[in-house]
Amino acid sequence: GESVGLHLPTLSVQEGDNSIINCAYSNSASDYFIWYKQESGKGPQFIIDIRSNMDKRQGQRVTVLLNKTVKHLSLQIAATQPGDSAVYFCAESSGYSTLTFGKGTMLLVSP
Amino acid sequence: GAVVSQHPSRVICKSGTSVKIECRSLDFQATTMFWYRQFPKKSLMLMATSNEGSKATYEQGVEKDKFLINHASLTLSTLTVTSAHPEDSSFYICSAHLRDRGLKDTQYFGPGTRLTVL
Repeated sequence: GESVGLHLPTLSVQEGDNSIINCAYSNSASDYFIWYKQESGKGPQFIIDIRSNMDKRQGQRVTVLLNKTVKHLSLQIAATQPGDSAVYFCAESSGYSTLTFGKGTMLLVSP
Repeated sequence: GAVVSQHPSRVICKSGTSVKIECRSLDFQATTMFWYRQFPKKSLMLMATSNEGSKATYEQGVEKDKFLINHASLTLSTLTVTSAHPEDSSFYICSAHLRDRGLKDTQYFGPGTRLTVL
């Protein structure tokens, strides 16, 4: 799993670049994964999800990739915009409903 | 769809008082709701799972007598922080579980409640 750190990992990109945010998970029994976006002072917002029987899923400007062999999840954001600046959390679930959250990555998009 | 509200969004209270936070699923029924706590620049920490019509399940280290949870209906869960102290100051977030027709279990989150205990 991910260790608890003092500072959030930060990814800084220029507007228009593609962003890739990574997440390692620890539970090999996890079969459902979700990416959430959290803006300052707000609750997490659902972005995209993927089941373990898939290795890729695309949404609008976002793609989630799942590598079960190495227990790795990534979120790709195409043509990143300033409004994408936020903290991004991956979450995993096995069986019914309870989610385990990763520590989060802060995405900073500069114009 | 899948909108979750929380009330209040911010609350400031004196030490020793109790504070109630409401979580509502506005356009769907949720048999299960969850309560999280989040410290600055940290991830969400699950406090408890709230099931409609039954007692909440608390995570290890969370005092059930301190954080009272009631899930009285399929659209409402409440968290009451009893005898609040400054160390209870935090961002409290609820989520509601929605199982869609594809049998995926997704949690939708409320906007959070900022609690400050003086």
